[in-house]
Amino acid sequence: QITLKESGPTLVKPTQTLTLTCSFSGFSLSTNGVGLAWVRQPPGKALEWLALIYWDGDDRYSPSLKNRLAITSDTSRSHVVLTMTNMDPVDTATYYCAHKNDAGNFDYWGQGSLVTVSS
Amino acid sequence: EFVLTQSPGTLYLSPGERATLSCRASQSVSSSYVAWYQQKRGQAPRLLIQGASSRAPGIPERFSGSGSGTDFTLTISRLEPEDFAVYYCQRYGGSALYTFGQGTSLEIK
Repeated sequence: QITLKESGPTLVKPTQTLTLTCSFSGFSLSTNGVGLAWVRQPPGKALEWLALIYWDGDDRYSPSLKNRLAITSDTSRSHVVLTMTNMDPVDTATYYCAHKNDAGNFDYWGQGSLVTVSS
Repeated sequence: EFVLTQSPGTLYLSPGERATLSCRASQSVSSSYVAWYQQKRGQAPRLLIQGASSRAPGIPERFSGSGSGTDFTLTISRLEPEDFAVYYCQRYGGSALYTFGQGTSLEIK
């Protein structure tokens, strides 16, 4: 059974760096075709893909945010970490991690972590 | 810039009725890379359809997807009370890798 859970601060100040951790079980990030992504959703708004790390360590980022994002994995401990620099109130959102299947879609999601950016 | 436009923004229907949700791409998309998600209030999204027309495991048969090129459709044949939610289409691929539509809210009439 695949499970994912996000953890991190609920409140960050403008200009600070956000660090979120996705802890997962039920799959190995070393398995061919697998990936883990971060997706966010501002309150009342649509989903927005942020970043993805593949089984081979390759990574991809949203073009509009790539200069602020970094995604890393620690496969031995089943964690993936997302960092986002220079946080702004518009970055207030629920941040989800999600498992990417072979077809490229997100078939398992964490419960989400609400992050508020405010001074 | 690649964009997915969903219509209508809000759809008001009653249980038992048929729902048809549209997703239009700004340029042609391989149907292999189109998916649909359902999101209920306060919950994470759930994968419904992938490859434009294949139901994800455990998804009821009343959900079906179709389309090709720039026009894709999610159909719910007979609405159940638990189907009232927000639905998103998504494309995998291209320079932005993943793009979501803005969503269609399916609400009880």
